This record gives sequence, C-alpha cells and structure tokens, in this order.
Amino acid sequence: AQKVTQAQTEISVVEKEDVTLDCVYETRDTTYYLFWYKQPPSGELVFLIRRNSFDEQNEISGRYSWNFQKSTSSFNFTITASQVVDSAVYFCALSDQSSFGNEKLTFGTGTRLTIIP
Amino acid sequence: GAVVSQHPSRVICKSGTSVKIECRSLDFQATTMFWYRQFPKQSLMLMATSNEGSKATYEQGVEKDKFLINHASLTLSTLTVTSAHPEDSSFYICSAAARGVYEQYFGPGTRLTVT
Repeated sequence: AQKVTQAQTEISVVEKEDVTLDCVYETRDTTYYLFWYKQPPSGELVFLIRRNSFDEQNEISGRYSWNFQKSTSSFNFTITASQVVDSAVYFCALSDQSSFGNEKLTFGTGTRLTIIP
Repeated sequence: GAVVSQHPSRVICKSGTSVKIECRSLDFQATTMFWYRQFPKQSLMLMATSNEGSKATYEQGVEKDKFLINHASLTLSTLTVTSAHPEDSSFYICSAAARGVYEQYFGPGTRLTVT
C-alpha cells in the first residue's frame, strides 16, 4: 500500500525566511509520480510540481525548489524568501502508473504554513 | 492549464435530503474523474473513481448507495449525496483526467453543510 507522510503539521516562519516542507513516501512500485499541491484558504488545489520516479534531478522554479532523494524516499519542498502569499496548506501526493490516465493519488496529511509579516 | 468547474461551490441542506454536485471539464474530454472528500483540517481522501460510461469504483469504506456517482458524458460527472446527515458535511473536490494525459486537474471544490 502506498503512503505519504508529512510529519510537520504546522510551520510558522517570519517573512523572507526560507522554509522546507518534508515529505516521505512509501511504495512498492518502481514507477511512480510525486506531486506537491498548494491549498490556499479558498480551498482550491493549486498544482505545483510533478516528478517522475526516474528523474532525481532537483528542480527550481522561482522561489520554489524540490529535492527528490530516492535513497531516503523523500521529496522535500523549499520556499526561499517566503512571502505572506505563501501561507497555505501544502500537500505532498503519490501516484502509481499502473494504468495510464487512471491513476489514484495518495495524499499526505498536509503541512499548514503560516508566513508572519 | 485545463479547467474543471464544480457547482455549486457551497450548499446547505437539511438532514435527510439529497444533494447533487456537478463536476465539469470545460476544455477537454475527461475519460476519468475522481471524487475526494476533505474534512476540516484534514487531507483529501479519495472516495471513488469514475470512467465515462462505466460504473464508478468506490474506495473501501465509502457507501456506494449513499454517494451516487454518474459519469454519463466526457465532460460531466455528478456526485449525489443521498439522505444527507450532518456527518456528511465536508468539502468535496473532483478532479478530471483525459486519456493519454497523466495530469489530473482539480475543481475548486464544493462545501456541503448538512443541518
């Protein structure tokens, strides 16, 4: 069975600080995808990134960066120079590639990030 | 990116009544749609997966007679909460995926309150 663990329930940092959100996953599949989503107070899920299990390159997108380490089954997300608009709940998710276009996502419990102005 | 809409965005109903939530893919054909439920301050839990023209596949513990899912067309799936009770109050989110495209696109969610 697949499992995603986000051990940090809530994090608060002062604006402009860097913050890292942890994600650890479990799967027996050799091929899988990892995701991060942002859920602001409005409730709508905002897609941030998808990473294939065969691609361990770290990725940077503006102030966001992701560190994928297959050896430790982790897919951590770092926000540099945080801003108040980054305040939201962030979910890490995992899916397999068993049937193309019909994958189920397993979500972590989420990390509530609060950026203090 | 692709757009998925949900209607209504919020609904309040009395205990014992049924409520229908619509999920539409606006600019692509969604061969598969997923329905999730999210309780306050909790994660998203998959309720069921529906493929166009087929019966939905429900996750363990989800009552198929209570949560009726219909995916009659490639752009519309509906979730009907039958005989709703206060414990069904939750945030319901749908997502849609097109054949051959791995990405799932999420709707904005529907907040159901049963009084």
